[in-house]
Order: sequence, then structure tokens, then C-alpha cells
Amino acid sequence: GAGVSQTPSNKVTEKGKYVELRCDPISGHTALYWYRQSLGQGPEFLIYFQGTGAADDSGLPNDRFFAVRPEGSVSTLKIQRTERGDSAVYLCASSHRVNTEAFFGQGTRLTVV
Amino acid sequence: AQKVTQAQTEISVVEKEDVTLDCVYETRDTTYYLFWYKQPPSGELVFLIRRNSFDEQNEISGRYSWNFQKSTSSFNFTITASQVVDSAVYFCALSEAQEDGGATNKLIFGTGTLLAVQP
Repeated sequence: GAGVSQTPSNKVTEKGKYVELRCDPISGHTALYWYRQSLGQGPEFLIYFQGTGAADDSGLPNDRFFAVRPEGSVSTLKIQRTERGDSAVYLCASSHRVNTEAFFGQGTRLTVV
Repeated sequence: AQKVTQAQTEISVVEKEDVTLDCVYETRDTTYYLFWYKQPPSGELVFLIRRNSFDEQNEISGRYSWNFQKSTSSFNFTITASQVVDSAVYFCALSEAQEDGGATNKLIFGTGTLLAVQP
């Protein structure tokens, strides 16, 4: 596809369950970013990858959150033992290089009930 | 600590009016980058502009213009002759520089300004 693709677009899960959110970056983009946007707030940085490695994971709120990018393309954000406070839109972005413009996907809206 | 403040929560204008969205930032870094993004109802963030801290020249792109003033730590955004399609949430953001001075996309966002342009 032409842009950053995130699946699913919506996810409803029960408190305590495990979820995976997927991001397909623009082909050829080496850098990939995850952000979380709560209602009425600006996006909040979670983690970014340069290739396969997590270059900066300082924004992950706790050890229930984990992200991988095993082949340097698709990334998965994993949340264990979900809590109602995890409800938010999770945004993924990619850029050709770390210092070039980032393109965002439309996000995954996660609702924990 | 770095921080971005967008004091205007919502602005409503009538089509063809000019509108300025305010952004004030805080950082201790001497090299940093400032951004504006547009978020339409569809949800994806659309990049509008990036400026580095050493380039205080104002920029104009069509109906859009940006005023960067380091003396007041502000990076304001003006839309001239607004149109209904400009209706969206606009975010100002700040990033620190890499060790080599280059930009990053590890952004600190403000809370956004919802712009409603009425026909």
C-alpha cells in the first residue's frame, strides 16, 4: 500500500486480556514509531525502531508493553494484562530515515472494558 | 524538561477569515526542532512543517505561514483565507536533536487546537 497501514482499526478487549496491534510501514522506511493518543490529548511517544532494533523505548509506560520488529518492516505492539487505562488510539508512523518526515497511519482504537 | 503548550483548545471561524494558532514551547536544548501536524477527522496525522532552532526565518506555503520567534519561544501558525477543508485538530510538536544535530521523530506534542471553519 501507499501509506502506513495499521490493523485492526478497532479492538475491544476485556480487562486482563492480551492484545497485539500491527503496523505495516511504508515500504523502504527504516524507522518506525509507536505513539499513544488518549482522548483530547496529543500523541505520546512510546518507542521507535531503527531497522530491527528498538533505538529508544523510553516512552513505554511499564513492562506490560512490548514491541517488536523482527525483520525490519512490520511491527507489533503487544500489551499484556490490559487495563482500562490502556484505552486509547495507538498510532504508528514510519520514515525513510530517522531524520526525515514521518508518515502516520490512521491508528488502532483500543478499548478495554 | 521539554513541553509544548497550545493554549487555544478550540477556535471557530467563518470561511475566508484568517486564523492564527498559537504554540509555546519549553526546552533547555540549544538545538531542537519544531513541527506542526494536522489531524483531520479520519485520524491520521499529516505533516505540515519542520523547522530547526537555528532557522528563524518565517515560512509561507500557499495559505499557510509560520512565525518562529526564539525570544518568546513561540512557533505560531497562520491560515489565510480559511476554508472548510481546513477544519481539523492542529498539533504543534517539539523534538530534541540527535548527537549530530539532525532531527528525530521522537516528538513531544501539545494538546492540540480544534479548528472549525464554518461555511
